[in-house]
Amino acid sequence: GDSVTQMEGPVTLSEEACLTINCTYTATGYPSLFWYVQYPGEGLQLLLKATKADDKGSNKGFEATYRKETTSFHLEKGSVQVSDSAVYFCALSDRRNNNDMRFGAGTRLTVKP
Amino acid sequence: EADIYQTPRYLVIGTGKKITLECSQTMGHDKMYWYQQDPGMELHLIHYSYGVNSTEKGDLSSESTVSRIRTEHFPLTLESARPSHTSQYLCASALGGGNTGELFFGEGSRLTVL
Repeated sequence: GDSVTQMEGPVTLSEEACLTINCTYTATGYPSLFWYVQYPGEGLQLLLKATKADDKGSNKGFEATYRKETTSFHLEKGSVQVSDSAVYFCALSDRRNNNDMRFGAGTRLTVKP
Repeated sequence: EADIYQTPRYLVIGTGKKITLECSQTMGHDKMYWYQQDPGMELHLIHYSYGVNSTEKGDLSSESTVSRIRTEHFPLTLESARPSHTSQYLCASALGGGNTGELFFGEGSRLTVL
């Protein structure tokens, strides 16, 4: 079945460092891909998404490109801030599975001043 | 901002008590979900519903039960809480049909069973 594998954490960076969190997926169809973020003490919220190959999702300085050839959707940010400290989840949904979301295990990011 | 609400946000109860975690959304979404989130952060789907009077068990076996009598309401009940039920519970909703499946989450209910 469909699945998502993302880079294990935790990840600790200094402010203004570059961030990459790797995410690869397995799907039989043509899924939509998502990154969700969970700030401390809160639920998840959508950070960005891409619905077809070569699409780039972007939000709050974060970007991810849907790469069908490598089945990847890596999350990147050029300069992280302390306020980016959170848990990041890669996810996919596919019409073949009623569009139910499949989540990766989550990656905890801590940004230090 | 998502219009999905969970109550209580925090609950501490003794073993054997019956509890209900409430989840309501005002977006008219057909699909609703309950996830259990362990301390390691991973999300486990425990229940879902595709509409009124529709409920299914998720990937992770759970002793909890759910009901969907109204579109906007999807409560989760534990008849007899145990310490192993201590966890964070997240409710989510999504549009049905051909939508891409984007989920909207509540802020979560953190349950501690003593």
